[in-house]
Amino acid sequence: AQSVTQLGSHVSVSEGALVLLRCNYSSSVPPYLFWYVQYPNQGLQLLLKYTTGATLVKGINGFEAEFKKSETSFHLTKPSAHMSDAAEYFCAVSDRERGQGAQKLVFGQGTRLTINP
Amino acid sequence: DVKVTQSSRYLVKRTGEKVFLECVQDMDHENMFWYRQDPGLGLRLIYFSYDVKMKEKGDIPEGYSVSREKKERFSLILESASTNQTSMYLCASSLPFKGQRETQYFGPGTRLLVL
Repeated sequence: AQSVTQLGSHVSVSEGALVLLRCNYSSSVPPYLFWYVQYPNQGLQLLLKYTTGATLVKGINGFEAEFKKSETSFHLTKPSAHMSDAAEYFCAVSDRERGQGAQKLVFGQGTRLTINP
Repeated sequence: DVKVTQSSRYLVKRTGEKVFLECVQDMDHENMFWYRQDPGLGLRLIYFSYDVKMKEKGDIPEGYSVSREKKERFSLILESASTNQTSMYLCASSLPFKGQRETQYFGPGTRLLVL
């Protein structure tokens, strides 16, 4: 069964600083990996995803993530934080054992990102 | 753009009441999902459906049921609401797995308070 661990429930960075949100996964099959963002009082929005191919994935709003199979990690980064990046971020792994039909997502606990002026 | 809507943003109910949460998507997606979100626990899957009238239990189905009579609509039912069901409920939809097309699209959520 798949699982996801996000290291750090709260991360605080200064505006303009590097953002690094950590995600480690466990999967018995090659995973599909996702990062979602949730702004206050809103649903989740897809930031980026890794399925196959290039291991460095670029997403919206300047975020990117790198799939490292040897480390079972999919950390999210952004070179320069902006005040508008303040939100909660969720890493998720997809259940690819099902060949068809609904692909279930298993989510991490979430990381709340705070940006200091 | 995919649009997933949920019938209420905020809901207050009494213990023992039967509660219906409605979700509608407008992109003809086969798959629909219900999650609950609690601080420190992330999102946990309650039920999902991969076709009309088809449903499968997720990780925490106890105390919940679902209904999918039409492709675009997926309802979550709390048969007898309890205080431990106070939570944020999120609906999502997706296309069937065909390699790349499994992104889940989320609604804005319903924050339910059970008194």
